[in-house]
Amino acid sequence: EVQLLESGGGLVQPGGSLTLSCAASGFTFSNYAMSWVRQTPGKGLEWVSTISGSAGSTYYADSVKGRFTVSRDNSKNTLYLQMNSLRAEDTAEYYCAKDPSYSGSYPTLDYWGQGTLVTVSS
Amino acid sequence: DIQMTQSPSSLSASVGDRVTITCRASQSITRFFNWYQQKPGKAPTLVIYATSNLQSGVPSRFSGSGSGTDFTLTISSLQPEDSATYYCQQSYSTPPTFGQGTKVEIK
Repeated sequence: EVQLLESGGGLVQPGGSLTLSCAASGFTFSNYAMSWVRQTPGKGLEWVSTISGSAGSTYYADSVKGRFTVSRDNSKNTLYLQMNSLRAEDTAEYYCAKDPSYSGSYPTLDYWGQGTLVTVSS
Repeated sequence: DIQMTQSPSSLSASVGDRVTITCRASQSITRFFNWYQQKPGKAPTLVIYATSNLQSGVPSRFSGSGSGTDFTLTISSLQPEDSATYYCQQSYSTPPTFGQGTKVEIK
């Protein structure tokens, strides 16, 4: 059974940093691309970033490019999202999601974690 | 970015009804298109991928069709457990984008 478990969310001040983690199990982690998607009541679902199975390719939404960094440790079956220079508009529920492909070039999200809440506020 | 527009934004139907949700892309996305279901307080789950392929474990009353810019999700006989918000998503180009959601309620 595929399981994805996010952690690391919380309250952070504007301009601060936070690192999210996603522990994966139930599949061969290194064979699949992984993505981060966030959700707010006002803006709905927003794709944030995708990383290929080998971590050779990464993709970012323009809204986070230069501030967020996606990475993965295939030896630990864990996906990360390093978030710097956080803004109020980054407040959202963040989900990690598995892609059925290795490359992630055409992101389809076949399994999702339960989400972790990030709140950016002073 | 490719804009995805769903209609209706919400609907109410009776158990056993046939329900159709539509999604229109702002440009052709061929068949790189998915549907997700989200129940309150839960993460989304994949229902249909590549326009018309049923994700494993999803009941056969769900079906998808379309190509180019216009797509539909059909629930052939609505069940109480289908009460949820449904989102479309294009995977044709980066950034992948989602529709605003359609909330399906049971009368």
